[in-house]
Amino acid sequence: GAGVSQSPRYKVAKRGQDVALRCDPISGHVSLFWYQQALGQGPEFLTYFQNEAQLDKSGLPSDRFFAERPEGSVSTLKIQRTQQEDSAVYLCASSLVGGPNTGELFFGEGSRLTVL
Amino acid sequence: KQEVTQIPAALSVPEGENLVLNCSFTDSAIYNLQWFRQDPGKGLTSLLLIQSSQREQTSGRLNASLDKSSGRSTLYIAASQPGDSATYLCAVRFYNQGGKLIFGQGTELSVKP
Repeated sequence: GAGVSQSPRYKVAKRGQDVALRCDPISGHVSLFWYQQALGQGPEFLTYFQNEAQLDKSGLPSDRFFAERPEGSVSTLKIQRTQQEDSAVYLCASSLVGGPNTGELFFGEGSRLTVL
Repeated sequence: KQEVTQIPAALSVPEGENLVLNCSFTDSAIYNLQWFRQDPGKGLTSLLLIQSSQREQTSGRLNASLDKSSGRSTLYIAASQPGDSATYLCAVRFYNQGGKLIFGQGTELSVKP
């Protein structure tokens, strides 16, 4: 596609439910990032993939958070047993190249998660 | 800890004014710096990317400068318009951070007609 696509755009979950958020990066982009953005704050890094390899997951807040990119294109961020503090916008971004200097990052519209 | 700071958090100006948004970062060892715009309820739109070897980048009415040694970048917006109202985010790619961008908290800009 022309841009980074994320689904669902909005998700309401009851506390304790599992959720899955999908990211479809720009075709051919090697690097894929997940960020979490709380209201009124800048995005916070969660995890980074280069192709199918998860090179950095240092930002995942707990072992309830899991991300995968099995074929090096579409990625899924899964949150198990959701808590109210997980409520945020989850942003996905991709870039053409990999490595420590991944170049210009392009973001999707985000998935807004509300946990009741 | 490598950090990015944006001041002020919010700014309101009359239409037509030239304005400067500030971004500072704690470590001069960077690959590049990227400015984004975020409209309410939307994702981030890339405005400008400045590599560490560059001093500035321009796109239309926007000009971004980089002073790596002092840990500062500015985004200059000429002849502001109500449509420029949004949150502007600065993000830095530091060495030893594995490619990820570290974001500031953003400056919320309001341009009044």
